[in-house]
Order: sequence, then structure tokens, then C-alpha cells
Amino acid sequence: DAKTTQPPSMDCAEGRAANLPCNHSTISGNEYVYWYRQIHSQGPQYIIHGLKNNETNEMASLIITEDRKSSTLILPHATLRDTAVYYCIVSRGYQKVTFGTGTKLQVIP
Amino acid sequence: GAVVSQHPSRVICKSGTSVKIECRSLDFQATTMFWYRQFPKKSLMLMATSNEGSKATYEQGVEKDKFLINHASLTLSTLTVTSAHPEDSSFYICSARDLPRQLASNEKLFFGSGTQLSVL
Repeated sequence: DAKTTQPPSMDCAEGRAANLPCNHSTISGNEYVYWYRQIHSQGPQYIIHGLKNNETNEMASLIITEDRKSSTLILPHATLRDTAVYYCIVSRGYQKVTFGTGTKLQVIP
Repeated sequence: GAVVSQHPSRVICKSGTSVKIECRSLDFQATTMFWYRQFPKKSLMLMATSNEGSKATYEQGVEKDKFLINHASLTLSTLTVTSAHPEDSSFYICSARDLPRQLASNEKLFFGSGTQLSVL
């Protein structure tokens, strides 16, 4: 799996958009970008994934640059319940998934 | 979305005893399950990959005789921590993929809620 680089922590005001960046410059052509999050003492939760087009679902939007070397997860209106560690992972779907250190997002009232 | 059920959520045991953790896919068949452990304020560390009907594949540095994995059915995988010691205390998490053995590039993982193991 390609390696990813994320900032260790970020703050976001409640109600504002949270933009979480991820660099994956060694991503290969058939690897997808996945985002998961882990709220304290729980198992990780799938958020969204994409290959090269931007994606949106009920939880978030994923913006992937044209060269696919980086991406941004957008939580449009962050709430206190979005406080969690967010993991960006690149993988082919059938491979094992290894986690990096992620970004600890703190949503501030 | 698919549901992965993991039990128990918390277990306390004495040193030297064995502990079994169950991971079940409730509404899909999981040919592949993964087991992770996580220490406080650290990321998830992959321990092993469990394929239904075959032996698990362990990551480097993970003792297969210490962490016994059984994946006897398409909906159940178990992790047994044998002769547990205090250093085995950790948060153990399973995950499963709703995926046939054929290659598929974009399947996501579903995670259990984790098991906090404390060895006294």
C-alpha cells in the first residue's frame, strides 16, 4: 500500500467546515483513497472512498487532486460528535489495510 | 451498512489464562477478516489476516502461537490470546470485508466495536 502523510492534529469550530488534508504521492493507478475515523474507544468507521473523481455522501465530501497525489476530506458542518481521529488510507480493495497515525480533529464549541 | 459484531467489549483476566474474542459479520459473508491491536493514543496495528477455511497470515513480529486465529465459517472469526500477560493488555479490533475472493478494487472494511483486554 502507498504511504500517506497527514497532519497530526487540527481544530475546527463547531458548525464550520473541517478540511482534512492527506498526501499520498506514491499512490498507484488502481489504488483507492479511503477515509475512516475512530471515535475514542470505538472501532473505526468508514466515511468515504474514491479513485480519481470527487465523491460526496451523507457524511462527507472527498476531493482528489487531478494527479491523485493528495486529497482532502471535507466535513461540511462539523459538530462536536465529529471529534475523532481521521485516517486516510490508500489501498486496493482486496488488500490488507494498514493504518498510519491519522489526524486528530478537535471540534471546538 | 454492513454490521460487524465483536464480543466481549471488555474483559479482565488473570495472568496465564486464555481469552477468546469473537468477531461476527451479521448481514454479510466475510471471506476475509483482519485483526488489529491498538495501544493507548497509538494507531491500529495489523496483527493478522484471517481467511475462511485456511490458516491466518500473521504480520511480522506477531506470535502465531500466542494469538490463535480461527475463521471456520463465513460469518465468524475468533482471536484467542493464550497465556495472557499484562503486556498483552490492549484494545483489539476486528474488521471484515464484504468481498468474494475475486479481486475487487474498491471494497471497504467494516469494523467491530473493539475489545478492551486487561490482564492483571
